[in-house]
Amino acid sequence: DGGITQSPKYLFRKEGQNVTLSCEQNLNHDAMYWYRQDPGQGLRLIYYSQIVNDFQKGDIAEGYSVSREKKESFPLTVTSAQKNPTAFYLCASLNREDYGYTFGSGTRLTVV
Amino acid sequence: QQQVKQSPQSLIVQKGGISIINCAYENTAFDYFPWYQQFPGKGPALLIAIRPDVSEKKEGRFTISFNKSAKQFSLHIMDSQPGDSATYFCAASIGGATNKLIFGTGTLLAVQP
Repeated sequence: DGGITQSPKYLFRKEGQNVTLSCEQNLNHDAMYWYRQDPGQGLRLIYYSQIVNDFQKGDIAEGYSVSREKKESFPLTVTSAQKNPTAFYLCASLNREDYGYTFGSGTRLTVV
Repeated sequence: QQQVKQSPQSLIVQKGGISIINCAYENTAFDYFPWYQQFPGKGPALLIAIRPDVSEKKEGRFTISFNKSAKQFSLHIMDSQPGDSATYFCAASIGGATNKLIFGTGTLLAVQP
């Protein structure tokens, strides 16, 4: 079945650490997105990529970095510069034929 | 200009009743308005979507009503069921290469049996 796989499902980060969240898709979609979800704030766009080797900052990119070396993969690194990283992170890809987003099941990151 | 305002924040409906969630936007360049359903611990799933050239779209028990002049759109869930209990997000985007979705803040729906 086609879809988006995010891993790990739960992740714990110590203060000062960088951590990387994985996002893999087998939908053959060009565009991929990372969103952060906090209670009462909806989903906010961190980074997006329209094509391999290209990505742009979203609304809350500070403290995050991404890469897009393969069409299938769009990993997100939460750096130590992100002061409040505890959140639910969602990866998505876009079907340009119908504008529909497909989301992964998310990674819950907690700072300990 | 880029915001999508969603209300109510939470909603309790009796089984068989109608659930209504409202959203408003400012940017008239938005041309795609989807609704997403999210269950706890899962990613959002596309429920139904509409474009501004139609005023209403119905899929099963779910209906989107769109008022272009008022810059508002709403989701109606007819014959609400306990299995509909979830968080619902409206969103909007401008077509083209990026298709960045701007999300509302979500509505937590509880359908009581």
